[in-house]
Order: sequence, then structure tokens, then C-alpha cells
Amino acid sequence: QSALTQPPSASGSPGQSVAISCTGTSSDVGGYNYVSWYQQHPGKAPKLMIYEVSKRPSGVPDRFSGSKSGNTASLTVSGLQTEDEADYYCSSYAGSDTRVFGGGTKLTVL
Amino acid sequence: QLQLQESGPGLVKPSETLSLTCTVSGISISSSTFYWGWIRQPPGKGLEWIGSIYRSGDTYYNPSLKTRVTMSVDSSKNHFSLKMTSVTAADTAVYYCARSWSPAGTPDFWGQGTLVTVSS
Repeated sequence: QSALTQPPSASGSPGQSVAISCTGTSSDVGGYNYVSWYQQHPGKAPKLMIYEVSKRPSGVPDRFSGSKSGNTASLTVSGLQTEDEADYYCSSYAGSDTRVFGGGTKLTVL
Repeated sequence: QLQLQESGPGLVKPSETLSLTCTVSGISISSSTFYWGWIRQPPGKGLEWIGSIYRSGDTYYNPSLKTRVTMSVDSSKNHFSLKMTSVTAADTAVYYCARSWSPAGTPDFWGQGTLVTVSS
């Protein structure tokens, strides 16, 4: 069971869109529609932004969207705002009642 | 209003056992159908799922940690616990407790986390 692969960094200017990828295998991301995304600001606990690939919890702006193709999931943040600057982590069900997380992506709003 | 609060020693010596408790308020562990889990994050690094437990005591562990981890639940105190044996510096991390809807389901509600440092 290996960690999911995310780019270490991503960036965009206010108002732009940015996509963050999360690559796994057919045993996790590709095998189940149970990919989730978390936002984490410094010193804070992660906050759930997307679950089951593309669903948003109540209260999460629709600027945040998720998708999946094969073994790679993506989080897209549209209309970037300064408060979107944070670390983002993907996670996936990995079979046999286990879960795996990605290494995280630092999103910078330029 | 659901709240999860981690507690336990902030400093543990190498080779000893790390013990943490997560106190749940706002919902009864014994009457809910949620799973209660632990996730950790080494300083400056990513998240790692440790495992989860159900009210019945059924446990689900990360295979890479399974030999060192034990989780338990105490419904009378409305809390659940984590024990990790034979710790090393690599176990230094912020430990979070969280709720999910299935054994390895998406953790949707998290505690604030507690830093545990392994050092002599």
C-alpha cells in the first residue's frame, strides 16, 4: 500500500482555475469511486472538500470540483481566491478496509 | 454539536508505547453507526491513515502499522483510544482522530490534532 502521488506544488492567480492531480493504481483510485480531497491551512486540521470523486459536502463552494479518469483523480479550483491558498490532500479507499492518502500539494495563489 | 478532542502525552521515549484518547461529545458512540479512526501527519509531511474502530470493538488497521497498533473503545466514557508500541522518531507526528461512515470510509469530521514527539 503506497501513498498516492500528488505534485508538490501548484499555483495560479486570483480568478484563474487550477487543477491538482492525484495518481494511484487500479487497487485504489482506479478501482473505487471513493476518492476524497481535503484542504488544510497551516496549523489546522484537514477539511473535507470533495468526497466520492465529485460530491461536495454542505458549505463547500461550488468553485471546488472533482473528477477521475482511470487511476488519476483531479481537484479543480475555479475562480481562485486568496483564501484557497493551502495544502490539498487526496485520499482513496484502497480495498480490504484500508485507506490511503496522497503526499499533498501546496497551492499558492499568486 | 459534534466535537472530537485528542489527549495524551506530548512526549514519548523511543521503544515505549504511545497512548492517545479521543473524547467524543455531541453524539453517543454506543448508539451511533459511525466508525472512529486515527490519522497522523509527521511534521511537514503528508497524512497517513492508521485505522478505525466500531462501537462493537471491530478494528481495521493500516497493514503497515498493524503489528504495533491497538485501538479500543470505551462507550461508558464515550471515547476511543490508540496504542502504538515500540515507537521511534519516525512516529513523531500530529495525531488526529476522526469520524467516518464505514471502516475505511472518508473521514468527514476531525479533531484538532495533538502533536506527539518521540525523543529521549
